[in-house]
Amino acid sequence: DILMTQSPDSLAVSLGERATISCKSSQGTLYSNNKRYLAWYQQKPGQPPKLLIYWASTRESGVPDRFSGSGSGTNFTLTISSLQAEDVAVYYCQQYFNTPFTFGQGTKLEIK
Amino acid sequence: QVQLVESGGGVVQPGRSLRLSCAASGFSFSTYGMQWVRQAPGKGLEWVAIIRFDGTGKNYVGSVKGRFTISRDNSKNTLYLEMNNLRVEDTAVYYCAKSGYSSNWSDSWGQGTLVTVSS
Repeated sequence: DILMTQSPDSLAVSLGERATISCKSSQGTLYSNNKRYLAWYQQKPGQPPKLLIYWASTRESGVPDRFSGSGSGTNFTLTISSLQAEDVAVYYCQQYFNTPFTFGQGTKLEIK
Repeated sequence: QVQLVESGGGVVQPGRSLRLSCAASGFSFSTYGMQWVRQAPGKGLEWVAIIRFDGTGKNYVGSVKGRFTISRDNSKNTLYLEMNNLRVEDTAVYYCAKSGYSSNWSDSWGQGTLVTVSS
């Protein structure tokens, strides 16, 4: 199974500042056919997860453009360019390259 | 808009069985893969299973292989998860999720149904 490791486990950022979450895959690559098989989700308390990013950098419809994804090979990043109060949540990366489609352990994002 | 409504959760003793359902609406159910993802209380997300749009292909996480069966009825727009020989560690909120248009990210999620396995 592909192990996905996120860092940090928790993060506190001031409103308006940048937040960066990293995700590392244990497999050599999640890349095939010019696609990177990596998604990012946001989960707020008491709610199901919400898709933010797929193909590592494609923003889902309706997701604010302050959210962006990047990365290649085994290292991927979710960036929130200017943190808003409503962004407080747990964020998960997920590889959908090979089953089982494993998630990272989650990163809890809070306001400093 | 896409709506996914899970049902069938509850409290069950170890070793017993339970069947979860997920009623789908707002999209062409028979043309999308569907998945189950679970979340133990206070823990992270764990992918459980996936089924192809036509039901011909299925995959599972290792911990449920041989015990859980994912299936679908495209005539009823419904996804199922048959869970047998349940263990305490299967206790979780179970979410059904719709696969993306061209690959297997999960672009829509239900609210989840809680399964508690306890003696």
